[in-house]
Amino acid sequence: GAGVSQSPSNKVTEKGKDVELRCDPISGHTALYWYRQSLGQGLEFLIYFQGNSAPDKSGLPSDRFSAERTGGSVSTLTIQRTQQEDSAVYLCASSLKTPYEQYFGPGTRLTVT
Amino acid sequence: RKEVEQDPGPFNVPEGATVAFNCTYSNSASQSFFWYRQDCRKEPKLLMSVYSSGNEDGRFTAQLNRASQYISLLIRDSKLSDSATYLCVVRSGGYQKVTFGIGTKLQVIP
Repeated sequence: GAGVSQSPSNKVTEKGKDVELRCDPISGHTALYWYRQSLGQGLEFLIYFQGNSAPDKSGLPSDRFSAERTGGSVSTLTIQRTQQEDSAVYLCASSLKTPYEQYFGPGTRLTVT
Repeated sequence: RKEVEQDPGPFNVPEGATVAFNCTYSNSASQSFFWYRQDCRKEPKLLMSVYSSGNEDGRFTAQLNRASQYISLLIRDSKLSDSATYLCVVRSGGYQKVTFGIGTKLQVIP
């Protein structure tokens, strides 16, 4: 079946612009996670959704970052006024009920110039 | 102290060798433990969960030591295809957040 998909796969943007990253989780998966991974670094947790609500936003690095999930499915991560330090791979994962197995999408590679 | 710590490596081992990685965690109340594998420029994928009694899947064995707060992954008879980064993952607390370690890079050499 279809896995987690993310778009775009690559995004190059100028400093100060806003970007939107999209995640389509596996159908029926209620939990959705956003992470980012910088070169040579581990996965940094950003936000978690259960259904449409986000009980844990503790990982969002600043108020320039926001995320929403509608219809318990697609999620969008928005970064406003991008900075060079936002350059990273943004990974989305979904799981059926629990975090026991998270299925990751291929990621969006964001480059801020 | 980081919540989850791993030696980033790289571990360079010859084909057929046995190699082991450890991962330490700081929260004694941590409840669930996993190993994920991440190939270069690819997304992480679950390798195996780690149970209190230890578990084995083919050439891979995972162990949990709660007293010393670490988990381990043992790979026997290493294959070239085992070359990847192995991520330690720990779940703590009553909700769904998990913490990933930085990963240990394994390179199996012909």
